[in-house]
Amino acid sequence: KAGVTQTPRYLIKTRGQQVTLSCSPISGHRSVSWYQQTPGQGLQFLFEYFSETQRNKGNFPGRFSGRQFSNSRSEMNVSTLELGDSALYLCASSLGTNQETQYFGPGTRLLVL
Amino acid sequence: DAKTTQPTSMDCAEGRAANLPCNHSTISGNEYVYWYRQIHSQGPQYIIHGLKNNETNEMASLIITEDRKSSTLILPHATLRDTAVYYCIANNNAGNMLTFGGGTRLMVKP
Repeated sequence: KAGVTQTPRYLIKTRGQQVTLSCSPISGHRSVSWYQQTPGQGLQFLFEYFSETQRNKGNFPGRFSGRQFSNSRSEMNVSTLELGDSALYLCASSLGTNQETQYFGPGTRLLVL
Repeated sequence: DAKTTQPTSMDCAEGRAANLPCNHSTISGNEYVYWYRQIHSQGPQYIIHGLKNNETNEMASLIITEDRKSSTLILPHATLRDTAVYYCIANNNAGNMLTFGGGTRLMVKP
């Protein structure tokens, strides 16, 4: 089975721009979670989507948003980019029931200049 | 999620067992203990999880104390490729929201 894929793998943007990242979960998985990893804050949960609905949300500003499509693929969007948004953005997929193991993608490394 | 405490770093000799401790003294009865690892700049990789009983898979063994306040991840024969940051997570969410702490940076040395 193919693993979680994320595109693009690397991205450079400038302050004020917006960016969209994509995540394709493992086939059959209905839950997609997004995480941000920075050297200062570590790995932090952004939000989770299950069956096209946001089910959980972390403590991030409204500039961070996401969506999920009927095929479970998910996108996250960051508007009005700030320097501090430079990070590795990871998505993870799972079947979506309680206590399911999450499988992570390789991440998208975003650099904001 | 219950807070977990792990040593910041550990060294292990190649071929020896690596024993990574985790303290989760406030864990509640329905929280599982999960272990993930992250090799430099890659996505975290699931290793193992358990509730009460000890667990073993092809990657590692998980030993949970009887009072569930601590656990130990055991890599039986560490290799250089096991050098990574290891995260211990106590999780009971209805959704899928993992709370990562700082983890333990394991360095396997030849």
